[in-house]
Amino acid sequence: SQQGEEDPQALSIQEGENATMNCSYKTSINNLQWYRQNSGRGLVHLILIRSNEREKHSGRLRVTLDTSKKSSSLLITASRAADTASYFCATDGGNTGKLIFGQGTTLQVKP
Amino acid sequence: EPEVTQTPSHQVTQMGQEVILRCVPISNHLYFYWYRQILGQKVEFLVSFYNNEISEKSEIFDDQFSVERPDGSNFTLKIRSTKLEDSAMYFCASSWTGFDQPQHFGDGTRLSIL
Repeated sequence: SQQGEEDPQALSIQEGENATMNCSYKTSINNLQWYRQNSGRGLVHLILIRSNEREKHSGRLRVTLDTSKKSSSLLITASRAADTASYFCATDGGNTGKLIFGQGTTLQVKP
Repeated sequence: EPEVTQTPSHQVTQMGQEVILRCVPISNHLYFYWYRQILGQKVEFLVSFYNNEISEKSEIFDDQFSVERPDGSNFTLKIRSTKLEDSAMYFCASSWTGFDQPQHFGDGTRLSIL
């Protein structure tokens, strides 16, 4: 399998705290993407980081990529109750757009 | 903002029946995908489609599955003879290219096989 593990599987924090989620993968990639899924909804794209990039920011999101360790992390700063969702990393290793998803991290942000 | 729309939102079907799930991708996108998510599990790739052809399919996408773009706007997934294990959320997605692009997902069709 191209995809490895995400950790933690579940994370519960207070509003205003930072949340960090980690993702590991097994094979070479073109890019790694992070998606959010609210309960009963589709996946929403958050950020894409290419294999030649090490860090990327988007608003309160910060993503890092370490291709030597085949790992990535997603940091959400100053979390809000509305950030409560499942977060998935997905790797793109080919040219057909096929995404391989991790198991996801369920984040609960308590008001 | 343009979005991917899927119908129906919930489909209940008897085992052995055929089912067609429908999707309208974002209009200027060229690549289309189906994924599925069995309850409590991760999202799994089924198939990618470009230029009226399947560009890649997974082991899950066996002969019971087919995809079609019957006109300029719809993209469908057909399951010929449904099994209990086909019960899942099915997500359609589209992207402008098949390389280095985010994918835009619909809200899914919940398929329940009885």
